[in-house]
Amino acid sequence: GDSVTQMEGPVTLSEEAFLTINCTYTATGYPSLFWYVQYPGEGLQLLLKATKADDKGSNKGFEATYRKETTSFHLEKGSVQVSDSAVYFCALSLSGGSNYKLTFGKGTLLTVNP
Amino acid sequence: EPEVTQTPSHQVTQMGQEVILRCVPISNHLYFYWYRQILGQKVEFLVSFYNNEISEKSEIFDDQFSVERPDGSNFTLKIRSTKLEDSAMYFCASSEIAGGTGEQFFGPGTRLTVL
Repeated sequence: GDSVTQMEGPVTLSEEAFLTINCTYTATGYPSLFWYVQYPGEGLQLLLKATKADDKGSNKGFEATYRKETTSFHLEKGSVQVSDSAVYFCALSLSGGSNYKLTFGKGTLLTVNP
Repeated sequence: EPEVTQTPSHQVTQMGQEVILRCVPISNHLYFYWYRQILGQKVEFLVSFYNNEISEKSEIFDDQFSVERPDGSNFTLKIRSTKLEDSAMYFCASSEIAGGTGEQFFGPGTRLTVL
């Protein structure tokens, strides 16, 4: 079945450090890929998305590129801030028919220290 | 900015009791979803709902679960007879359109604790 695997956390960084959170997927079709973020006490928010191979999603300094050849969608940010501390979820969705559900990874807790 | 709301934020219940989790999706959205996350595990899809009927459900969504849109604004998840393993965070989501290009907007979640 379809699945998403993301790197285990927690990840602890100092402010202005470089961030990478790895995400790979397995899908029977051609998925759209997403990164969601959950700040403490809040719901999941879409951070960025990519709907086809080689697309780069970007938002708030975060980027991820849809790599079909490696079935990956790694999240990167060049310089993290304390306010980026949150749980990050990689997810996929297969369109077609009624199959619009999101399949999530386990989530990665990021803590950024000043 | 419109948002999805959920009530209650935390529900504690005894095993075997019925619970109803409530969600108010964004008003012009047409597709509704429930997900859950057991502590330390993945966020899992439960059910999707469109045009007043279930469009897809997962293996988790057995006969103990039901969903309803009783009026024009609320979307509810009922668990008929709760089990210990139903303890989880339950997230409601809605989207304007379906498919990979339709962003799903999530509520803050209801933490269900079954004792």
